[in-house]
Amino acid sequence: RKEVEQDPGPFNVPEGATVAFNCTYSNSASQSFFWYRQDCRKEPKLLMSVYSSGNEDGRFTAQLNRASQYISLLIRDSKLSDSATYLCVVIPIYNFNKFYFGSGTKLNVKP
Amino acid sequence: EAQVTQNPRYLITVTGKKLTVTCSQNMNHEYMSWYRQDPGLGLRQIYYSMNVEVTDKGDVPEGYKVSRKEKRNFPLILESPSPNQTSLYFCASSSGLAGGNEQFFGPGTRLTVL
Repeated sequence: RKEVEQDPGPFNVPEGATVAFNCTYSNSASQSFFWYRQDCRKEPKLLMSVYSSGNEDGRFTAQLNRASQYISLLIRDSKLSDSATYLCVVIPIYNFNKFYFGSGTKLNVKP
Repeated sequence: EAQVTQNPRYLITVTGKKLTVTCSQNMNHEYMSWYRQDPGLGLRQIYYSMNVEVTDKGDVPEGYKVSRKEKRNFPLILESPSPNQTSLYFCASSSGLAGGNEQFFGPGTRLTVL
């Protein structure tokens, strides 16, 4: 079983739509969580960390559900520039230097 | 400009011919890591280094070696490349404890082994 699983998509949405992705993780002892964005096989870049209480950054909201072992990313008022692949990252409590990436969810925002 | 650089960006080689992919960062980061990215599998960690002379295996270390003799450099060595090592490789760095901080990625190296 993979450490981290994501729906690969693609999610095709019109501009202005709200879209949400989930990412499930298998190790209940996971400690830290992040969302990264990757444009067309370029390098990943940090989008936001995911905190236990949930956190928001502009149009982006990240949430953690430890009981069900998933994290989510909500994008409101989608822009064309949001088109990218979104990668979730999970770090286990037993090793703060190991990173487990999901395979990514592709988002296409259309005019 | 703060950055992670990798060289070469593209490489086509043949089975068994030793190669090195260089990675350098100018942010004085303690932590550095190598990943490979394959379709449907996402990024998988190959090796990481917490500081000079301190390295450890990630999830897919077989067929790779690394060294960390200087803080800024973390080369990835393929002693005898095989076709299943054809992939997109990323180097990354982070300050302090990697799990709590942003990782900065290099632009990637696309390797093809024939």
